[in-house]
Amino acid sequence: DSGVTQTPKHLITATGQRVTLRCSPRSGDLSVYWYQQSLDQGLQFLIQYYNGEERAKGNILERFSAQQFPDLHSELNLSSLELGDSALYFCASSVADGAQYFGPGTRLTVT
Amino acid sequence: KNEVEQSPQNLTAQEGEFITINCSYSVGISALHWLQQHPGGGIVSLFMLSSGKKKHGRLIATINIQEKHSSLHITASHPRDSAVYICAVLTSAGNKLTFGGGTRVLVKP
Repeated sequence: DSGVTQTPKHLITATGQRVTLRCSPRSGDLSVYWYQQSLDQGLQFLIQYYNGEERAKGNILERFSAQQFPDLHSELNLSSLELGDSALYFCASSVADGAQYFGPGTRLTVT
Repeated sequence: KNEVEQSPQNLTAQEGEFITINCSYSVGISALHWLQQHPGGGIVSLFMLSSGKKKHGRLIATINIQEKHSSLHITASHPRDSAVYICAVLTSAGNKLTFGGGTRVLVKP
């Protein structure tokens, strides 16, 4: 158990819908990272927050947004969902830029 | 060309064999991670290293910064080592992790 929690574990929704994925980092970790793992693209970095502020941005689509709240939990919002958004979404946390601890992931299926 | 290349893509070993997975990268990095992903999907961070060598149990990770190359070794492999092993680099230019394509390891009893 990494200490990082993600909810929900599984999510099935239809194209065009909007979903929110939630991540609670390990106690004391200020950095939260979001990753997408799809069958054809592998693991890709989406975005990083550090203590509530956006720190680094990767291959995140404009339809996706994220935020980190004062209690350090983070949410990833995915809107206007397409079939190609079906993937595993991982959250990871770290103290600063150190070793990252991954959550169990949320499996999103868009039908 | 991908910034992070792993080899081999797939590897099958007999229980007890020594396994080596290689990772080459083409960008400047501040650190390199080795991750393990089990069939259920969960990802575990095995090592983070920026120089030299680290050992944890039967796992050994080495990195050669000059040659931009890292290896992950599994000694006395066991069927429970069957997983996908992923190399990821933390680029010097930013804080993002860039991932290799993974090596799928199957250890047969």
